[in-house]
Amino acid sequence: DTAVSQTPKYLVTQMGNDKSIKCEQNLGHDTMYWYKQDSKKFLKIMFSYNNKELIINETVPNRFSPKSPDKAHLNLHINSLELGDSAVYFCASSHRQGGYTFGSGTRLTVV
Amino acid sequence: AQTVTQSQPEMSVQEAETVTLSCTYDTSENNYYLFWYKQPPSRQMILVIRQEAYKQQNATENRFSVNFQKAAKSFSLKISDSQLGDTAMYFCAFGVSGNDMRFGAGTRLTVKP
Repeated sequence: DTAVSQTPKYLVTQMGNDKSIKCEQNLGHDTMYWYKQDSKKFLKIMFSYNNKELIINETVPNRFSPKSPDKAHLNLHINSLELGDSAVYFCASSHRQGGYTFGSGTRLTVV
Repeated sequence: AQTVTQSQPEMSVQEAETVTLSCTYDTSENNYYLFWYKQPPSRQMILVIRQEAYKQQNATENRFSVNFQKAAKSFSLKISDSQLGDTAMYFCAFGVSGNDMRFGAGTRLTVKP
């Protein structure tokens, strides 16, 4: 009964590659998010998305793009990976009453 | 813009004692939510406690309680009877319905035996 599931949990890849992280929620939430947690543990919003609107943090490079095939999924695509992209990426979802649920995170390592 | 400040990068407490983690925030919103999340080494983000801004009563979850001071924009977390399993990063977070959460920089708590 995983509420927000992310795959893969670990991802090791070479610089320059393109990769995707998948996220699915079965909570019926309206809004989904991607957060990046850097090596200093700081959590930063990358995107928020509902079926009406995509809000992009303007500091996120355009190599990162969210794709939502339906309300329950928000995948993260990353093109031309760089060393600095190494981090833990969290997917989350929320409903209108302010309940936020996180996935277990994906540790991305770019070598 | 909303900001969340945690002024204690690291704290430690003896097992069975009480510790308070500080958090302040800045917002012009009137209706919002405040959260404390725990992140153990497993990296899972675990919701510890949640407070709706419109509620004056402080939220409590077993050994965890908050001191919510809306006028002062302060939201501290008190952990009573600390246990070794409480060792983790603790993040204070602010959210507005339908929008993303903003996190503080975190406080690393170590519970010593």
